Parts: sequence; structure tokens; C-alpha cells
Amino acid sequence: NAGVMQNPRHLVRRRGQEARLRCSPMKGHSHVYWYRQLPEEGLKFMVYLQKENIIDESGMPKERFSAEFPKEGPSILRIQQVVRGDSAAYFCASSQRQGAVSNTEAFFGQGTRLTVV
Amino acid sequence: DQQVKQNSPSLSVQEGRISILNCDYTNSMFDYFLWYKKYPAEGPTFLISISSIKDKNEDGRFTVFLNKSAKHLSLHIVPSQPGDSAVYFCAANSGTYKYIFGTGTRLKVLA
Repeated sequence: NAGVMQNPRHLVRRRGQEARLRCSPMKGHSHVYWYRQLPEEGLKFMVYLQKENIIDESGMPKERFSAEFPKEGPSILRIQQVVRGDSAAYFCASSQRQGAVSNTEAFFGQGTRLTVV
Repeated sequence: DQQVKQNSPSLSVQEGRISILNCDYTNSMFDYFLWYKKYPAEGPTFLISISSIKDKNEDGRFTVFLNKSAKHLSLHIVPSQPGDSAVYFCAANSGTYKYIFGTGTRLKVLA
């Protein structure tokens, strides 16, 4: 049973370009979370998605950032017109939840390290 | 507003001794707490969790204690091993979906 798969592992973009980060959740998981880790900081929640729905994007910057989790295919975190401050490790996690039950753990991918030059 | 706090950025412990990592939280609605371990260049790995209806959960060398009145939890590792050297994140969940993470504690186990 493959874990959470993220690609690419490393991504270098010039300022102004677009970055696309992909996340395939664990088999059977329909809940996806994106987190960002800036250097020397903890994991900051960005967005929570279920299939075809954004449930909570309160942690995601209002501009340039978007996320989707289509019916088929991986979840995509998209950053348009990247700036140096977007350089960070972006982690995707997935979980299998039953209604509003909270006692499930989220499983993380290995992350995508974005470097903006 | 940092709802989950890990006030010690780093901790060094001798091999074979006990490691105690602490975590404080402010939101009384949190009802599920987790510890994750992270090695450099890898994603966080789930370690152990505890529900708010318990005050202790043990799994091998790892034990998590929860003190709800103090809004405090701790992770005990005994005996500590060099392979335990990593960054440990405390996380909390409030029955919704959002896992809130602390800033992490870097544990170094000295051989």
C-alpha cells in the first residue's frame, strides 16, 4: 500500500513563473491537506480538500495560490508568479475520516522543496 | 496566534536516558493530540497519539501524557537511542479536520 506520493521532490522556479505541486493520497483516503514549512518554522496549515471540494482554505494566501483535488487524479497546489518568499517545503497529507471523527492520524508525503531563484 | 506551542527548540540527551518533549496548547476544544517525527528532507512520520479521554498512551519506548487541566502534553522516550535524533512535532485536532502543529523540538541523542 503506497504512502502519500508527492512530486516533484525538488522544484526550482524563477521569480514570476508558476509552480505546480502534486499529491496522490494514500489508497482509500479521500481527505487531503497541504502544509507549508518555512525554514526554521513549524508546519503551517494551508488548505483542506475532499474530492472536488475545498473545505477550508483559510491558511492559504488569497492571491497567487490555489488548490484542487479533482475526481480523478492527484491534488494540485498551484502557485502563480512565484516570489522568493514562496521558497519552502510543501507537505501534503491524507487521512481517512468517518464523519467528524477526529481520532485519525494524517499521513504525510515526503514533501516538495520549492526554491525560487 | 500559536495555538500549539513547543517552547524548547532543541534538546540533547545521552543515549539510554529519558527524553521528555513538551507541548502546550491553548484551545480547550482540541480533543486529539499527535506526535510526529521528522528527519531532514523527509515528511513527518506519525509516532503516537492520544485522545482527550485518556491521560496516557504507551507504545514501546514512547509514552504520551496528557494533562487537560494544564493544557499540556509530553512525549517520553525511554531509553533514548541515537536513531531517535530528529525534529518532533506536536499536533492537535478539534474534531473537525484541521491539524494544528507546533514549531517542533529538535532532539539530539548523544552516543
